Amino acid sequence: QQQVKQSPQSLIVQKGGISIINCAYENTAFDYFPWYQQFPGKGPALLIAIRPDVSEKKEGRFTISFNKSAKQFSLHIMDSQPGDSATYFCAASIGSNYQLIWGAGTKLIIKP
Amino acid sequence: NAGVTQTPKFRVLKTGQSMTLLCAQDMNHEYMYWYRQDPGMGLRLIHYSVGEGTTAKGEVPDGYNVSRLKKQNFLLGLESAAPSQTSVYFCASNRRGSVSYEQYFGPGTRLTVT
Repeated sequence: QQQVKQSPQSLIVQKGGISIINCAYENTAFDYFPWYQQFPGKGPALLIAIRPDVSEKKEGRFTISFNKSAKQFSLHIMDSQPGDSATYFCAASIGSNYQLIWGAGTKLIIKP
Repeated sequence: NAGVTQTPKFRVLKTGQSMTLLCAQDMNHEYMYWYRQDPGMGLRLIHYSVGEGTTAKGEVPDGYNVSRLKKQNFLLGLESAAPSQTSVYFCASNRRGSVSYEQYFGPGTRLTVT
């Protein structure tokens, strides 16, 4: 119930294409769903986040789509660029408990 | 501001040796975390602290100990290293009462146990 399942494990997209990474959860008590971006040799950094009362959140080329009934959320990267090549993690958290439950990560490669 | 820093960046240990990883943050954050990252397994929480002098176990605490004697520092100890503890270790912190729950990560420590 505490798991967050992320897919795919790896993804190759052509420059200019749309990258889509999916996550699914079981615990309906989760109330915060962030996405983190990690470049090689660096720690993860918050990219964008959403709460379950919102179906979509957009920041620049990055969009989170949230489907509460299906208990799924996804990250869309529009006009993907080589600089977007990184590992992306979805996560989930509950209330005042600041712990995050992490997905396994997706290694994204954008081909020029 | 340096943010979250970790010492050392790399370390090689022999089985049975001990070591301490140091995490320091200059953002006055109350909450601090130690994670390990292994390929295909995401980030797994080892221990965390909600304030100076308090620590708690995370998902994978066995073989590790922690201490938070000062608000800005969080130490992770391995008393008797095992090859299964070969991993990349990340420290993170965040502020109590933060709306975004954003965790700020250090650059990581790559540990190899032979």
